[in-house]
Amino acid sequence: EAGVAQSPRYKIIEKRQSVAFWCNPISGHATLYWYQQILGQGPKLLIQFQNNGVVDDSQLPKDRFSAERLKGVDSTLKIQPAKLEDSAVYLCASSPSQGLNTEAFFGQGTRLTVV
Amino acid sequence: AQSVTQLDSHVSVSEGTPVLLRCNYSSSYSPSLFWYVQHPNKGLQLLLKYTSAATLVKGINGFEAEFKKSETSFHLTKPSAHMSDAAEYFCVVSAPGNQFYFGTGTSLTVIP
Repeated sequence: EAGVAQSPRYKIIEKRQSVAFWCNPISGHATLYWYQQILGQGPKLLIQFQNNGVVDDSQLPKDRFSAERLKGVDSTLKIQPAKLEDSAVYLCASSPSQGLNTEAFFGQGTRLTVV
Repeated sequence: AQSVTQLDSHVSVSEGTPVLLRCNYSSSYSPSLFWYVQHPNKGLQLLLKYTSAATLVKGINGFEAEFKKSETSFHLTKPSAHMSDAAEYFCVVSAPGNQFYFGTGTSLTVIP
């Protein structure tokens, strides 16, 4: 079974530039997550989709971050304009359903460096 | 509200000695709890999960964890550390909406 695919693996941009990350979840997984992991910290949930609807985006900095999952499959996360503090690993994850007993499956992440 | 506290940010053990990584949780519901491992430049991998069945949960690579409701703990153990166990470990609690809340992580160093 193919895992969660993310691209690119690495990205370096200057502050105030824009950047986009792509995620393709495991086939058939209805729930998709984007997490931000700053160096030395645990992952923090940015946004959660159930199919193509947003379940939770309470921690997404909406003035600069946006995410979409238009057809309920793959997803993109965009930052515009980027700030130095956005340097982090952006993790995408998916899970089969909203059942309490299911785990999340993670991609390898995109490491963003803002200079 | 759901949260987890990992009591040690760094743990060092000698190869062949036991490993103990401590986690306390807070949950308004009967929790599902997980341990994930993250090797350098790799994605997060599930080690084991507790979902209200047996309180002693066995995972991959010889790891296990015990759910203790009275102590609100879910500590991760392994009888004998291997060099390949060196990694970052995260304790995670999930909420009914299937949101996953991560601890701050414990970095495990294994000394040869």
